[in-house]
Amino acid sequence: QQQVKQSPQSLIVQKGGISIINCAYENTAFDYFPWYQQFPGKGPALLIAIRPDVSEKKEGRFTISFNKSAKQFSLHIMDSQPGDSATYFCAAVAGGTSYGKLTFGQGTILTVHP
Amino acid sequence: DAGITQSPRHKVTETGTPVTLRCHQTENHRYMYWYRQDPGHGLRLIHYSYGVKDTDKGEVSDGYSVSRSKTEDFLLTLESATSSQTSVYFCAISESSPSLSPLHFGNGTRLTVT
Repeated sequence: QQQVKQSPQSLIVQKGGISIINCAYENTAFDYFPWYQQFPGKGPALLIAIRPDVSEKKEGRFTISFNKSAKQFSLHIMDSQPGDSATYFCAAVAGGTSYGKLTFGQGTILTVHP
Repeated sequence: DAGITQSPRHKVTETGTPVTLRCHQTENHRYMYWYRQDPGHGLRLIHYSYGVKDTDKGEVSDGYSVSRSKTEDFLLTLESATSSQTSVYFCAISESSPSLSPLHFGNGTRLTVT
């Protein structure tokens, strides 16, 4: 039972291009949507996050777009750089009494060519 | 890496043997988690803890048990390892519920069951 579906599985982008990763969820109780970035040999690290009361959040070259009615959210990486090459995970969690069961998508391996 | 140490970093074991992985934190965070990472599945929650001696199951808990006798240590035990438990295991911590504070991950333990 995959509550958060992520696509594509892999993505190749040229330096300077835009990388777009999409996620969809089923559970309408989810109210916090973080993205994690993972480099080889390391654990994931929080990149950016959004709550459903806003439709977009931007931090530098990274933007989350959120569509509550469609139950979808996406990560956009502008001006992609080789240093952005990593695995990206979307995630979702319901607040309240769910005691922190953060559910992750399947991951997207991003490769940015110089 | 947020004061999280996983040990061992690599382990090869035989089918049917017990295995214990250790996660040690120096952040005094309340929440601790064990995830496994497999290609195509992303990160899946095995067990988590919301306080000393307070633990609960995640989505893939069969074949695993955990213990938390001190705030700083969270142990994951495979009672009788199977080849399907070959994976990379990540420990994570958070100060409060993931809807309120980010997860910080260790660098993982690569377990191979032959």
